[in-house]
Amino acid sequence: GENVEQHPSTLSVQEGDSAVIKCTYSDSASNYFPWYKQELGKRPQLIIDIRSNVGEKKDQRIAVTLNKTAKHFSLHITETQPEDSAVYFCAASPSPGAGGTSYGKLTFGQGTILTVHP
Amino acid sequence: DAGVIQSPRHEVTEMGQEVTLRCKPISGHNSLFWYRQTMMRGLELLIYFNNNVPIDDSGMPEDRFSAKMPNASFSTLKIQPSEPRDSAVYFCASSFQRQDEKLFFGSGTQLSVL
Repeated sequence: GENVEQHPSTLSVQEGDSAVIKCTYSDSASNYFPWYKQELGKRPQLIIDIRSNVGEKKDQRIAVTLNKTAKHFSLHITETQPEDSAVYFCAASPSPGAGGTSYGKLTFGQGTILTVHP
Repeated sequence: DAGVIQSPRHEVTEMGQEVTLRCKPISGHNSLFWYRQTMMRGLELLIYFNNNVPIDDSGMPEDRFSAKMPNASFSTLKIQPSEPRDSAVYFCASSFQRQDEKLFFGSGTQLSVL
C-alpha cells in the first residue's frame, strides 16, 4: 500500500518568514495530493490540493509543488503569520478506479507542527 | 450547509461497553469515510462507503469494529466491546465522487475508553 513520509515533524519560524514542508510517497499510482491544516482540538481542513497533471498550484500565500518522477511534493507558505500556527498534514490518493474507489481514500503523512513566532 | 455533523463530540465509557458514533455527511455527497486519529498512528482510514455501499474496510482494526450506512444521510461506527486502546478521535468525512472529490471532515468524536 501507499506510504507517505513527511518532514520536518516540527518547524519554527518568525512571522513574515517562509515555511516549507516536504512529503514523499511510494505508490506511483497516486495522483491526488491534498494538504490539510489542523488546529488544536479542531477538524483537519483542506487548504490546497494538486493533481498529477500539474506541477504547481498557488492560492494567495500558499503554494504546492509536485514532482511525480521523484515522488515528492511540498507545501510553501510565504509571509507567515501567527494564525498559520497549526499541524499540517500532507496526503496522497490513487486515481479512482472501477468499483467506486475514491480520491477520499487518503494516506496521510505524520504531520508537521508549525509554530510562527510574532 | 452545516458541513459534516458528528455526534457525540465526546464519549467516555468503560472497557467492555458498546460505543456508537454517528455521522451525517454533507447533503449531496455520495462518499463517506471514517478516519481515526491517534498520536501513535496519525490519521488512518478505517472504512469508506460509496453510494451507501461499503467499498473498502481493510482499515477496520478488528471484528469489534463495524460500520453501517443505511441511507445517504446517516452512518454509524460501532465498537463492541470497547477497549482502552480504542481511545482516539474518530472523524467522519464526506466527498462528492466524480466531481471535485474534495474531502471535508466533521468535528470528530473524542472517545475515551477507561
